[in-house]
Amino acid sequence: KNEVEQSPQNLTAQEGEFITINCSYSVGISALHWLQQHPGGGIVSLFMLSSGKKKHGRLIATINIQEKHSSLHITASHPRDSAVYICAVRLGSGAGSYQLTFGKGTKLSVIP
Amino acid sequence: EAQVTQNPRYLITVTGKKLTVTCSQNMNHEYMSWYRQDPGLGLRQIYYSMNVEVTDKGDVPEGYKVSRKEKRNFPLILESPSPNQTSLYFCASSLLAGVGEQFFGPGTRLTVL
Repeated sequence: KNEVEQSPQNLTAQEGEFITINCSYSVGISALHWLQQHPGGGIVSLFMLSSGKKKHGRLIATINIQEKHSSLHITASHPRDSAVYICAVRLGSGAGSYQLTFGKGTKLSVIP
Repeated sequence: EAQVTQNPRYLITVTGKKLTVTCSQNMNHEYMSWYRQDPGLGLRQIYYSMNVEVTDKGDVPEGYKVSRKEKRNFPLILESPSPNQTSLYFCASSLLAGVGEQFFGPGTRLTVL
């Protein structure tokens, strides 16, 4: 069974700092998602990756399929980035299934 | 407005009383999915649907049923709820499985006494 490990579990940063959140998984996957869960509970999809790198504003996501590892970077962090960041992976590549397994999340607090 | 709606948002019920949590999306998405979120365990997938009349089990399907009779709706049915199904439930949809971002509903907080 695939395990998805995120690190760190908790992260406190000063406003303006560069932040990295890591996600590692134990078996081959065909896609990886990064999600953001706001303090109020709502969940927003940030990225879906199968290779390489994606950027959206101050957020950058990378994935290394060979090393079974992905990182989410936040540049120039801001208190509004405070949230739980969740990694999810899709096992296999069959067209008839899309099951996701999640990491337990990284709680980020950005202090002004 | 493009959105995923869930009802009810909050529900307190008793063991064994059948309930349905509705999920509806207005984006003509083919892929829909149900998740539960528990402290210390994170999000776990219950069931998903690749399209109308096509559903499949996720990691934790026991005690749940789903149906996908029409594209926009994907209800989650608890035939005989038990206290271990107390959780925060999210419905989500995307254009296709693995295509486009997943849009999440606001969540349903269920307590089974």
